[in-house]
Order: sequence, then C-alpha cells, then structure tokens
Amino acid sequence: GIQVEQSPPDLILQEGANSTLRCNFSDSVNNLQWFHQNPWGQLINLFYIPSGTKQNGRLSATTVATERYSLLYISSSQTTDSGVYFCAVEPPSNDYKLSFGAGTTVTVRA
Amino acid sequence: SQTIHQWPATLVQPVGSPLSLECTVEGTSNPNLYWYRQAAGRGLQLLFYSVGIGQISSEVPQNLSASRPQDRQFILSSKKLLLSDSGFYLCAWTHLPGQGGYEQYFGPGTRLTVT
Repeated sequence: GIQVEQSPPDLILQEGANSTLRCNFSDSVNNLQWFHQNPWGQLINLFYIPSGTKQNGRLSATTVATERYSLLYISSSQTTDSGVYFCAVEPPSNDYKLSFGAGTTVTVRA
Repeated sequence: SQTIHQWPATLVQPVGSPLSLECTVEGTSNPNLYWYRQAAGRGLQLLFYSVGIGQISSEVPQNLSASRPQDRQFILSSKKLLLSDSGFYLCAWTHLPGQGGYEQYFGPGTRLTVT
C-alpha cells in the first residue's frame, strides 16, 4: 500500500515562532488532508489539499502532487497549536480510504 | 450542517467481555462510514468501512466486527475482548462520490481500556 512519512516526528516551538511540517507519500493520490488532533483526541480538519496552496488564518498548506509531498506551515505559533498533526492520503482507488502518517507532535511553549 | 456522534466516550471492559460501540451521523444521507483505531502514541489504522446498509469491508483481520443496520448508523462489536483491543476508536464519514466534497470528518472517539 501507499506509504506516508511525516517529518519531523517531534517539534518544540517557542510561542510566536514559525514552523514547517512535511508529508511525503509514495504514490499518486486523489485526496490529501491535514488534521490536528487536540489533547482530547478530537481530529480537526485543517485542509483538504490534493494539490495547490491554501491558507486559513495562521495556517497554510501546499501540496506538490507531481513530487509527492505536502507542507503545512504554522506561523506565529500559539500554545493552542500544540497537539499532533496528521497527514492522510487516499490513493486513486475510488474507495475514499485514508492512509495516515505517524504524525508530528508539536509543543508550543509560552 | 452535518454532525457525527460516538458513544460511549470512555469504556473500561474486562478481557473476554463483549463490546458494542456506536456511531451515528446527522444531516446527510448515504454517507460512507469508517472505523479507525489509534493505539497510544500512534497513527490511525483503518479497521472497517461501509458504502451502504449491510455493506461492510474489513481492512485488517482481527477480533472485531462491524455492522451498519441503518443508513447513518455504524456499530463496532466484539464477542470477546482482548487486551490488544485497547485503544482510541474513531468513526468517520464522507459523502458518496458525486454528492459532495471528498473530505473525511471524524467523530469525538471512544477511549477503550481492556483490563
């Protein structure tokens, strides 16, 4: 099956810092989503971005499908940004089944 | 708008006992439904998915089963729990192809501890 690798596995930031999270995938994809898992376990949808660039407030994401990677940018980080960020992809199988990376654990310190 | 519910939120069960976790979706019809499990400190693993009532596909062999008795209801079950069944169970839904976007949306999860 498709392989999804996220880096770095852990990231510690000072409040106000910027950061970039990376997601590499081993095959073409129909769907790519970024999620934030909060301390209570809830998975929050950040971006649906199989290609191109999107921005939502302090977060933005870029997917370069031809090179099989996606980047999530966090600017001016806040303590509420702490949690685990997951990249998930769906290969072109028409089944809408997502394969998840192992996640990047982000800790933002005040 | 659509919402997804899961219950119970937390559950502690002894080894060998049965299990039933429920997931319901409101505000949409004919969704695709999914069950995932997340072990502590790990990513999500897809367990089952369903494209319609009574239609269940299993992704991994295991001690669990799933059923879809109604269009917007998805149930995860086990006859006899194992210690290895402990984890965080998440239900998710998407629109059917051609009926909306392709994003997958997750419920709040059930944290299961088998003792």
